[in-house]
Amino acid sequence: GAVVSQHPSWVICKSGTSVKIECRSLDFQATTMFWYRQFPKQSLMLMATSNEGSKATYEQGVEKDKFLINHASLTLSTLTVTSAHPEDSSFYICSARGASEKLFFGSGTQLSVL
Amino acid sequence: GDSVTQMEGPVTLSEEAFLTINCTYTATGYPSLFWYVQYPGEGLQLLLKATKADDKGSNKGFEATYRKETTSFHLEKGSVQVSDSAVYFCALRATNTGNQFYFGTGTSLTVIP
Repeated sequence: GAVVSQHPSWVICKSGTSVKIECRSLDFQATTMFWYRQFPKQSLMLMATSNEGSKATYEQGVEKDKFLINHASLTLSTLTVTSAHPEDSSFYICSARGASEKLFFGSGTQLSVL
Repeated sequence: GDSVTQMEGPVTLSEEAFLTINCTYTATGYPSLFWYVQYPGEGLQLLLKATKADDKGSNKGFEATYRKETTSFHLEKGSVQVSDSAVYFCALRATNTGNQFYFGTGTSLTVIP
């Protein structure tokens, strides 16, 4: 089946630094990629939707200048958390959708900001 | 707005026990309903789905029935195995908001021998 690779799976960073998370579709072309985050004991929430070659669409309440999403190719999307702060500590997960319209998820990234 | 409410965990069961994980939803229109599973160290995988009322999704011994009258999509399995230990997410896909997914909080299941 289709595979989505997400890296890193776990990252610790200092407050004020930036962190980049990569999401790759390994055996299909992902025309659309989604980024979610989950705070402890809360639902997995959609942050933004990105289509290859165009700007990401952010959900209400998500700061686009803080969470930079790049979807430069049909197999790679990146989420950069800029100037991370402890309140950004969360579980981030990507998903990708190709021509089949099925949704495939990465394994997630646990971000801890000290 | 659309949302999913899922039974909180963690849930611990003995092997061969009966499993129920409750899920209810709020949605306008006619959403599709899903159960996703995340095994340790892996990504979310689709477990089963139902696209209309009274549909029953089934896979790997798991079942869930789309109940419009009770707005529920409870996950059941008659006899769990150790290999079923994972986190289970209930989700809906809204049909009138660009196919956006809404997820529950996830329920961690541990099956002990």
